[in-house]
Amino acid sequence: DQQVKQNSPSLSVQEGRISILNCDYTNSMFDYFLWYKKYPAEGPTFLISISSIKDKNEDGRFTVFLNKSAKHLSLHIVPSQPGDSAVYFCAASLVKAAGNKLTFGGGTRVLVKP
Amino acid sequence: DTAVSQTPKYLVTQMGNDKSIKCEQNLGHDTMYWYKQDSKKFLKIMFSYNNKELIINETVPNRFSPKSPDKAHLNLHINSLELGDSAVYFCASSRGTGLETQYFGPGTRLLVL
Repeated sequence: DQQVKQNSPSLSVQEGRISILNCDYTNSMFDYFLWYKKYPAEGPTFLISISSIKDKNEDGRFTVFLNKSAKHLSLHIVPSQPGDSAVYFCAASLVKAAGNKLTFGGGTRVLVKP
Repeated sequence: DTAVSQTPKYLVTQMGNDKSIKCEQNLGHDTMYWYKQDSKKFLKIMFSYNNKELIINETVPNRFSPKSPDKAHLNLHINSLELGDSAVYFCASSRGTGLETQYFGPGTRLLVL
């Protein structure tokens, strides 16, 4: 039973345009959300996060939006660059849970075409 | 300098064998993790250690045994390997157990024949 889902396995976008990645979760107790980026043969690297008390967090070209009522979050990359081509994982966490357990989605592969 | 390193990068072995994967972090972090990425590409937490103490132990067969000799190392030993153990295993570390960023190693690709 996957509690975090990324329903689009892949996304292709032209350089300079916006990339929009979506993520849905089923556990309403999740209160902290993250996006990780992964290149081939490397481990995931942290990109951006958002707490459930916010609905938007921005860091340079990356913006994460959270819609708690819909249990949905999205990552916007503007403008997309060829170096953004990677797999993006959405993850969710419970702040008060023991440890720092992340529940990941299955990833979305992004290809940015020059 | 590699922050989180894993050895080996690739591991091909026969069913029934016992193998170990090693993880080391030089970030001075207190917490380390093991994740498994299966064929469907989902990353799932297996174990987490904080200051050498086990704090997360997901539903993992007891053929998998983590060992943390010190805060900088978290090794994963797997007994009686099965075909379904084939996956990529990622080690990660974080400063603590709160909302701390987790830093991942490059992964160990295990193939059981």
